[in-house]
Amino acid sequence: GAGVSQTPSNKVTEKGKYVELRCDPISGHTALYWYRQSLGQGPEFLIYFQGTGAADDSGLPNDRFFAVRPEGSVSTLKIQRTERGDSAVYLCASSFVPGYGYTFGSGTRLTVV
Amino acid sequence: AQSVTQLGSHVSVSEGALVLLRCNYSSSVPPYLFWYVQYPNQGLQLLLKYTTGATLVKGINGFEAEFKKSETSFHLTKPSAHMSDAAEYFCAVSASGNRDDKIIFGKGTRLHILP
Repeated sequence: GAGVSQTPSNKVTEKGKYVELRCDPISGHTALYWYRQSLGQGPEFLIYFQGTGAADDSGLPNDRFFAVRPEGSVSTLKIQRTERGDSAVYLCASSFVPGYGYTFGSGTRLTVV
Repeated sequence: AQSVTQLGSHVSVSEGALVLLRCNYSSSVPPYLFWYVQYPNQGLQLLLKYTTGATLVKGINGFEAEFKKSETSFHLTKPSAHMSDAAEYFCAVSASGNRDDKIIFGKGTRLHILP
């Protein structure tokens, strides 16, 4: 596609529920990143994929968070047993050359009530 | 490890005045440096980046930034502010030469333009 697409744009869920957030990167971009942005903060790195494999998952806060990219394009960020502290905007970005600057999607605003 | 510090969480300038947003970085290797802008309810947009070569980098919308190794700085400037420049600005850094290195963002500076 022309840009990075994230769905849904907004998600409200109840505490304890499971959610999936989807990212469709720019066609041909092998690098894909997930970041989380809390109110008033900069984007915080979660996980980086190069192709199908997670090259760096050091930013995932705990084992409730998991991400996959089975075919090297679309990625899904999965959050189990959501907590109110998980409320944030989840940003996805892709890049052809890692480290040279990413193209970001518009994000998914997750609200846990 | 890389990090950035943005001085001032909020900066206000008058329309037509100089914009200066400060960023200092820390990096154990030569850095790649970036400025991103985020307009309300929108995603992040790359303004400009420094990788190698000329230390004065020009970006979109009339912004520019200068990489100063001796000062470990990468301040963002624009000669004359427009109302449309009101947004959140993020400085970011990654390790050059490491294709797997992630970009680390600062906490952001919100720019307010006064009429």
